Amino acid sequence: DAGVIQSPRHEVTEMGQEVTLRCKPISGHNSLFWYRQTMMRGLELLIYFNNNVPIDDSGMPEDRFSAKMPNASFSTLKIQPSEPRDSAVYFCASRLYQMGQGVRQPQHFGDGTRLSIL
Amino acid sequence: GQQVMQIPQYQHVQEGEDFTTYCNSSTTLSNIQWYKQRPGGHPVFLIQLVKSGEVKKQKRLTFQFGEAKKNSSLHITATQTTDVGTYFCAGGNKLVFGAGTILRVKS
Repeated sequence: DAGVIQSPRHEVTEMGQEVTLRCKPISGHNSLFWYRQTMMRGLELLIYFNNNVPIDDSGMPEDRFSAKMPNASFSTLKIQPSEPRDSAVYFCASRLYQMGQGVRQPQHFGDGTRLSIL
Repeated sequence: GQQVMQIPQYQHVQEGEDFTTYCNSSTTLSNIQWYKQRPGGHPVFLIQLVKSGEVKKQKRLTFQFGEAKKNSSLHITATQTTDVGTYFCAGGNKLVFGAGTILRVKS
């Protein structure tokens, strides 16, 4: 079975440029998460969706960050304009969410996008 | 908001020694999950604990959930080089992750 698929795997770009990260969750999973990982701040939850609807975006650092989930099989995380401090590994994860049981399902992570902003 | 604290941040052990990482929450958790991330990899689910005082074992790994459901631990018996990585606990409805414990094993 295909796992969570993220693209690109690596991205190097200059500050000020727009960056778009993509994620395809596991088929049948209806909950999707975006995380950012750095040495200094660890694994931070940025935003998560249930059934394509954003539930909590309190972790999104600034208005420069935006995330969308137009359908059950695709999500994007966009940074515009990008800054050097956005350099990190960005993970997407998905899980099966069931009302009343959602907290008990493990998350499946993609391989991540390693983003470097120069 | 809910916080999950994890200690130690880093541990370097001799192969064959035991290792333990501890997780503490500021609030009662409905469940706690443990993940392992190998260097350069992504977090991979290990186990979930749900019941107060629950203990689960996976070969050399023993996971415990505290009676008050506010703390948990992961113990590895006789570490091997394949145990190298970062171990995260995560809990609550939003699955808040601890900072992780980096384990290095000297052979």
